[in-house]
Amino acid sequence: QKEVEQDPGPLSVPEGAIVSLNCTYSNSAFQYFMWYRQYSRKGPELLMYTYSSGNKEDGRFTAQVDKSSKYISLFIRDSQPSDSATYLCAMSVGAGRRALTFGSGTRLQVQP
Amino acid sequence: EPEVTQTPSHQVTQMGQEVILRCVPISNHLYFYWYRQILGQKVEFLVSFYNNEISEKSEIFDDQFSVERPDGSNFTLKIRSTKLEDSAMYFCASSEHPGTQETQYFGPGTRLLVL
Repeated sequence: QKEVEQDPGPLSVPEGAIVSLNCTYSNSAFQYFMWYRQYSRKGPELLMYTYSSGNKEDGRFTAQVDKSSKYISLFIRDSQPSDSATYLCAMSVGAGRRALTFGSGTRLQVQP
Repeated sequence: EPEVTQTPSHQVTQMGQEVILRCVPISNHLYFYWYRQILGQKVEFLVSFYNNEISEKSEIFDDQFSVERPDGSNFTLKIRSTKLEDSAMYFCASSEHPGTQETQYFGPGTRLLVL
């Protein structure tokens, strides 16, 4: 079983749609959860950062973590063509172990 | 807004040659990282560096790799004898403070091609 699994997509939605992106993981030691956005041939750009379980909202983005199910989500409201990118989930154990373990990324296309 | 910078953006080298990839982390950051992404694959952790020493490394980071902070601003990754399978995008990242699990900010990457 892969440590972090993420549906690669591509996911195509119309402009204005609500987008749901998800990752599952197997390592129960993960405590820090992040979502990055990556445009083609660019570096990952941090979108959201969450510690442990719960929700976090920032503008059009909401991150959810359910540690009991080992499942994290990113919701994008009112999606825009500029949101078209690959979305990477990443997580780490913490307590001095900072290495991020990434999902394979979901490619999102928002159609105007 | 402060950002991580990396040079060169592209590097082509012959198998067996040494390469040095350079990074300038965000100025007040204390933790530094290298990751790589082989084309079409996941971003993978290589190494983290704090207080002038390696704090964590992955199985990928074997004896052919080394890291150094040669001065107050640069952070380098050296690959001693490159192999074809070292062809990848290499990302440098930095985070601010060792006391908490601070988020990591990534540079734009160096695309390395080994021929």
